[in-house]
Amino acid sequence: EVQLVQSGPEVKKPGESLKISCQGSGYTFTNYWIAWVRQMPGKGLEWMGIIYPGDSDTTYSPSFQGQVTISVDKSLNTAYLQWSTLKASDSAMYYCARPSSTPLVYEYEYWGQGTLVTVSS
Amino acid sequence: SSELTQDPAVSVALGQTVRITCQGDSLRTYYVSWFQQKPGQAPVLVIYGKNSRPSGIPDRFSGSSSGNTASLTITGAQAEDEADYYCNCRDSSGDHVVFGGGTKLTVL
Repeated sequence: EVQLVQSGPEVKKPGESLKISCQGSGYTFTNYWIAWVRQMPGKGLEWMGIIYPGDSDTTYSPSFQGQVTISVDKSLNTAYLQWSTLKASDSAMYYCARPSSTPLVYEYEYWGQGTLVTVSS
Repeated sequence: SSELTQDPAVSVALGQTVRITCQGDSLRTYYVSWFQQKPGQAPVLVIYGKNSRPSGIPDRFSGSSSGNTASLTITGAQAEDEADYYCNCRDSSGDHVVFGGGTKLTVL
């Protein structure tokens, strides 16, 4: 069974750093793209970027380029999303997602449970 | 603003047919995917590719596309279909992915 399990909720202060994770299981982790998707409270889905664990090829949405870093640790079957300096506007639910099959890129059949990030002073 | 445009809200009577649309230039080149999201839950893929449904998605969900407009059709809408629906696709450059703004479906 394919599963994406994300790290737990985070409460941070503005200016702090953060790294959240998404661990894949039940499939060959290196063969499928992993995307990160933001959903701000009461708002829609926003595509942040995508990484191919096999070679760490990464593409960011222009809206998120330079704001976050997406990475992967193949040995742990885990993808990461990190911030060096959080802002209150980073408060949102963050999902990781995987396409139905390879080489699909945006047909996200598998989703993590979401990680709620709250940034508040 | 998103490169994919969706109507913010649509309603349908129980058991009737509803079409949810998604417009964007990139839809002339790429297939769209459709997602259903209920409150407090992660999105669920309901349609992808030309008109494919993942395992477990009822066949009352179908997809189609013409020109710059893609449609998700629910034939015989059920109460449990009340949710937000999002389309996604590559953007016009082909290098990135975008989501539509979402459509809130109300089943009356």
